[in-house]
Amino acid sequence: AQTVTQSQPEMSVQEAETVTLSCTYDTSESNYYLFWYKQPPSRQMILVIRQEAYKQQNATENRFSVNFQKAAKSFSLKISDSQLGDTAMYFCVLLQGAQKLVFGQGTRLTINP
Amino acid sequence: NAGVTQTPKFRILKIGQSMTLQCTQDMNHNYMYWYRQDPGMGLKLIYYSVGAGITDKGEVPNGYNVSRSTTEDFPLRLELAAPSQTSVYFCASTPNQETQYFGPGTRLLVL
Repeated sequence: AQTVTQSQPEMSVQEAETVTLSCTYDTSESNYYLFWYKQPPSRQMILVIRQEAYKQQNATENRFSVNFQKAAKSFSLKISDSQLGDTAMYFCVLLQGAQKLVFGQGTRLTINP
Repeated sequence: NAGVTQTPKFRILKIGQSMTLQCTQDMNHNYMYWYRQDPGMGLKLIYYSVGAGITDKGEVPNGYNVSRSTTEDFPLRLELAAPSQTSVYFCASTPNQETQYFGPGTRLLVL
């Protein structure tokens, strides 16, 4: 079975600090995609960053970057220079095939002023 | 483009009532999905569609039905609402089986 595990239910950092959210996953597929989505209090699901499993290079989007360790099945998200607007629930998500999005339990991140 | 739109934003149903959650996308995406999100949890797939006229069950389809008569619309039907269906419902679409774009969600309360 495909699973995604986020071991940090909640995290809290000060504004401008760097924070890393952890994610591990399990899949038997060789080709898949990994995503980080954020869900602010508005409940909108917003794509933060994506990684294709066949690419060795770690994805980067401005202040957001990932550490993708395929052999270890690890996919952590690093947020640099954190901002108040980064406060949200963050979900690590595994995509296999046309329909199967598997969500982790989420990490509630709070950025303090 | 409006993206993925969902109506209503919020609804209260009585046990045993029925309703349809509407989802429309204007991006000409073939793939559309319905998820539910229970409090403090990630999303679970209810139904999905790979194109007009084609639908299939996801992880938690019981108590729901869908149809896909056009590329743009993918309504979700709840028959005989139950308290266990209290949740937030998200519709999503994608052109390429990769990044999914989500609607704003519909919050449903069944009392």
